[in-house]
Amino acid sequence: EIVLTQSPGTLSLSPGDRATLSCRASQSVSNNYLAWYQRKPDQAPRLLIYGVSWRATGVPDRFSGSGSGTDYTLTISRLEPEDFAVYYCQQYGSSPYTFGLGTKLEIK
Amino acid sequence: EVQLVESGGGSVQPGGSQRLSCAASGFTFSSYSMNWVRQAPGRGLEWVSYVSSGSNTIYYGDSVKGRFTISRDNAGNSLYLQMTRLRDEDTAVYYCARGGGPGRSAFDYWGQGTLVTVSS
Repeated sequence: EIVLTQSPGTLSLSPGDRATLSCRASQSVSNNYLAWYQRKPDQAPRLLIYGVSWRATGVPDRFSGSGSGTDYTLTISRLEPEDFAVYYCQQYGSSPYTFGLGTKLEIK
Repeated sequence: EVQLVESGGGSVQPGGSQRLSCAASGFTFSSYSMNWVRQAPGRGLEWVSYVSSGSNTIYYGDSVKGRFTISRDNAGNSLYLQMTRLRDEDTAVYYCARGGGPGRSAFDYWGQGTLVTVSS
């Protein structure tokens, strides 16, 4: 099983700041099948990034993904008030598919 | 508009069984893989199971293997999760989620979830 470790656990920033979220895999993610999701209270998770760096439909271009092998990053270039949420990385390259424990992005 | 609507949640005793359903609409169901994902209270997301578009490939998470069975009815646009030998730790909100294609894909649409509570 591929274990995904997200850091930091909580990130406190202000609107307009740049956010950098990390996801480290215990082994290489097959075919770069690495995704990022945003989760807000009482809402279903929302796909942001798939295949490491491809933005899902309707996702603003302030969200970007990068990385390879075992180290991946989600960057939010300039935080908007609606971006404060929990973010999960996920690998879907090999079963069992796994999620990280999440990074909570909170307003400073 | 893509819609996924889960049903079948509720309270069940440990050792019992429950069957969850997910009704899909707004897309060609038979062309997409599907998944179940759960979130226990205060915990993160946990992938539960995957079924390819034609049911040829099925995967399970280690915590549910041998107890849960995923299936789909492409003619009826529905996804199912048969859960048996339920444990306290299976208490969670269960989501169905669409894969972005027929095989391995990120989950591009999610339902609103159905709560399963396992308790005596």
